[in-house]
Amino acid sequence: AQKVTQAQTEISVVEKEDVTLDCVYETRDTTYYLFWYKQPPSGELVFLIRRNSFDEQNEISGRYSWNFQKSTSSFNFTITASQVVDSAVYFCALSEALYNFNKFYFGSGTKLNVKP
Amino acid sequence: DSGVTQTPKHLITATGQRVTLRCSPRSGDLSVYWYQQSLDQGLQFLIHYYNGEERAKGNILERFSAQQFPDLHSELNLSSLELGDSALYFCASSVAGGRLNTEAFFGQGTRLTVV
Repeated sequence: AQKVTQAQTEISVVEKEDVTLDCVYETRDTTYYLFWYKQPPSGELVFLIRRNSFDEQNEISGRYSWNFQKSTSSFNFTITASQVVDSAVYFCALSEALYNFNKFYFGSGTKLNVKP
Repeated sequence: DSGVTQTPKHLITATGQRVTLRCSPRSGDLSVYWYQQSLDQGLQFLIHYYNGEERAKGNILERFSAQQFPDLHSELNLSSLELGDSALYFCASSVAGGRLNTEAFFGQGTRLTVV
């Protein structure tokens, strides 16, 4: 069965601290996709990144970086030098690559509070 | 702006009533997905339509139904509403619904409050 676990329910940091959000997934598929979405207080879901199961290269985008490790089934997200605007709920998601349909399995989310 | 439009943004209605939530996908996107986000259940997949056809069902109640029209917009109909149906309902769209998995772009959601 597919499952995404975000064990950290809520994290609080002070501005400029680095913070890592953990994501562990389970799937029996050999082809799958992992995502991170941000949900700010306004409520919309904002796409951050997509990785496929064949590409384990880590990715950096500005202050954001992602560490994908198939050996530990993890896809962690690090924010460097956090800012107040980073305060949001962050969701990790897994999508199967099945013929005819796909759907997302979301983790329960990690609420990040960045204090000035 | 994701390009996915959901209306209305907020909806307050009484128990037992019926409501319709509307979603316009991004231009060119053939797949539409509906999700429900509630405090106790988190983000749950409800249903997926691809080019007018239902492709997958998730945890969608029998009181709920959806359809995708020829112009590709979709509607989610919720009937006999209960207090527990209060949630944020998201629509997402993507280009493909099959092997070529792509990003799903989410709308801003419709916040439904049942009183």
